[in-house]
Amino acid sequence: AQTVTQSQPEMSVQEAETVTLSCTYDTSESDYYLFWYKQPPSRQMILVIRQEAYKQQNATENRFSVNFQKAAKSFSLKISDSQLGDAAMYFCAYRSDRGYSNSGYALNFGKGTSLLVTP
Amino acid sequence: DAGVTQSPTHLIKTRGQQVTLRCSPKSGHDTVSWYQQALGQGPQFIFQYYEEEERQRGNFPDRFSGHQFPNYSSELNVNALLLGDSALYLCASSPVGSRDGYTFGSGTRLTVV
Repeated sequence: AQTVTQSQPEMSVQEAETVTLSCTYDTSESDYYLFWYKQPPSRQMILVIRQEAYKQQNATENRFSVNFQKAAKSFSLKISDSQLGDAAMYFCAYRSDRGYSNSGYALNFGKGTSLLVTP
Repeated sequence: DAGVTQSPTHLIKTRGQQVTLRCSPKSGHDTVSWYQQALGQGPQFIFQYYEEEERQRGNFPDRFSGHQFPNYSSELNVNALLLGDSALYLCASSPVGSRDGYTFGSGTRLTVV
């Protein structure tokens, strides 16, 4: 089974500054997807950004970007120009690309990083 | 356009009882997955339903069962509740075959006393 590790239980950033959240994963597969989800106090998981493993180019969504290092099995999230509304739990997740075998539908999540944004 | 809706929002049950949680997927989505999120942990995959069949299951005992209806809505049933079943239960939906991330609901907070 694939495991996802988030080694930073908590991070803090000042408003307008940049912060990077770390994520590593363990897999023997070559095709997969990686995601970052945000979970505010409302509890709803919100997709922040996704990356296909076959793409070398790092994904970017506005102020959010990733550093995907496939060989190192690393997938970090960079938040630029941090805003108070970015404060939340952030989860890194892995999904196999083996849907045809009825075993590639589950998201495997890390334990999360709590991001605090200070004014 | 309504997203994923779950009911109830909160629930308190006694050990040994049975509980049913409900989920309506986002419009246009036909697969429904259920996750259990214990306090301070990431969500754990329970199972996914498509075409009213369970098509993948995580490492959960048979006390956890589900159902999907023809309108794609779904129920999660947990029998013989244990204190350790206390958690946030999240429902997620997607169109079949989608490689995008799933759309999640806000969850049902289950407390077993």
